[in-house]
Amino acid sequence: KQEVTQIPAALSVPEGENLVLNCSFTDSAIYNLQWFRQDPGKGLTSLLLIQSSQREQTSGRLNASLDKSSGRSTLYIAASQPGDSATYLCAVFSGGGADGLTFGKGTHLIIQP
Amino acid sequence: DVKVTQSSRYLVKRTGEKVFLECVQDMDHENMFWYRQDPGLGLRLIYFSYDVKMKEKGDIPEGYSVSREKKERFSLILESASTNQTSMYLCASSNNEQFFGPGTRLTVL
Repeated sequence: KQEVTQIPAALSVPEGENLVLNCSFTDSAIYNLQWFRQDPGKGLTSLLLIQSSQREQTSGRLNASLDKSSGRSTLYIAASQPGDSATYLCAVFSGGGADGLTFGKGTHLIIQP
Repeated sequence: DVKVTQSSRYLVKRTGEKVFLECVQDMDHENMFWYRQDPGLGLRLIYFSYDVKMKEKGDIPEGYSVSREKKERFSLILESASTNQTSMYLCASSNNEQFFGPGTRLTVL
């Protein structure tokens, strides 16, 4: 059964820093990987989707990479801002319907003004 | 933009009540999902539907049922609510990328 781990569980950095969030998964046979943002008490907002054939995706100050063979993805946030404070989750889709999508428990990010 | 809406943001029910949580998506997605999210446990899949009237159990289906009579609507039903079903409930839809609704915070007293 697929397992997804996110490290660190929490991170606090000063505004303006570039930072990297990590996601690892145990089974490399995946269809895609998705990064989400969740604000307190809210639903999940999709940030980036990387198909298994892709190495990276970019959206604004966000860049996500995927190394399927090593079971790793990183989310790079450039020039962090206080508005980036949230919990970031990664989820891996391995196919197979209800068994397919596995979430990590998230990294709680605080950007200090 | 894809929109997934949920019928209530906050809901308070009593033990033993039958509870309906509604989810509607406007992008003609085949797949719809119900999750619950609890501190320390992350997101757990309750049920999944890949077509109208089709459903599959997720990791924690006990105490729940679902209904998908129309493609755009996926309902989660708590047959007899219990206090351990107090949680944040999240609906999602996808054809490839998953999109989530705003969540329903359910409290069962």
